[in-house]
Amino acid sequence: KAGVTQTPRYLIKTRGQQVTLSCSPISGHRSVSWYQQTPGQGLQFLFEYFSETQRNKGNFPGRFSGRQFSNSRSEMNVSTLELGDSALYLCASSLGGAEEKLFFGSGTQLSVL
Amino acid sequence: QQQVKQSPQSLIVQKGGISIINCAYENTAFDYFPWYQQFPGKGPALLIAIRPDVSEKKEGRFTISFNKSAKQFSLHIMDSQPGDSATYFCAASIGNDYKLSFGAGTTVTVRA
Repeated sequence: KAGVTQTPRYLIKTRGQQVTLSCSPISGHRSVSWYQQTPGQGLQFLFEYFSETQRNKGNFPGRFSGRQFSNSRSEMNVSTLELGDSALYLCASSLGGAEEKLFFGSGTQLSVL
Repeated sequence: QQQVKQSPQSLIVQKGGISIINCAYENTAFDYFPWYQQFPGKGPALLIAIRPDVSEKKEGRFTISFNKSAKQFSLHIMDSQPGDSATYFCAASIGNDYKLSFGAGTTVTVRA
């Protein structure tokens, strides 16, 4: 069974640009969560989707948005990039229950110059 | 601010020794406490999890101890091996919140 696939693996952008990251969950998983990982702040929750509906959102500015498609694939978008957005963005999928095991992808490393 | 406080930030242990990582929380609504293991270049992977109605859970060489009254829980890695060298994160969640609040992480180095 293939794991969670995140593309691209690395991304370099400049301030003010926007970026879209993609996540393909494990087959059969209907929930996709996104987390930002930085050395200073650790792992911070961005949002969670289940069957195309956002069920929870973290404390991030509106520049961070996401969506989920009918095939459970998800994308997150960051507009007007800032230097502080440089981070590893992790996607995790699960069956969707409250305490379901999360399966994380290897992440997209975003560098904002 | 971090809802789950984790310590130490890093630790070094000899092969065969015991690694102990501690976490504390304030929010009594938390009812699920997983531990994740992360290797460089990889995403975190679930190691073991516990609910507050259980005081201890063991899976192989990994044991979670949970103290509900003190709002603390810890991970013990017995007979530590070089392959256990990784960063460990404790986490907590509330019922149908569908999000995890992570500790800051502990980097464990096991010396052969």
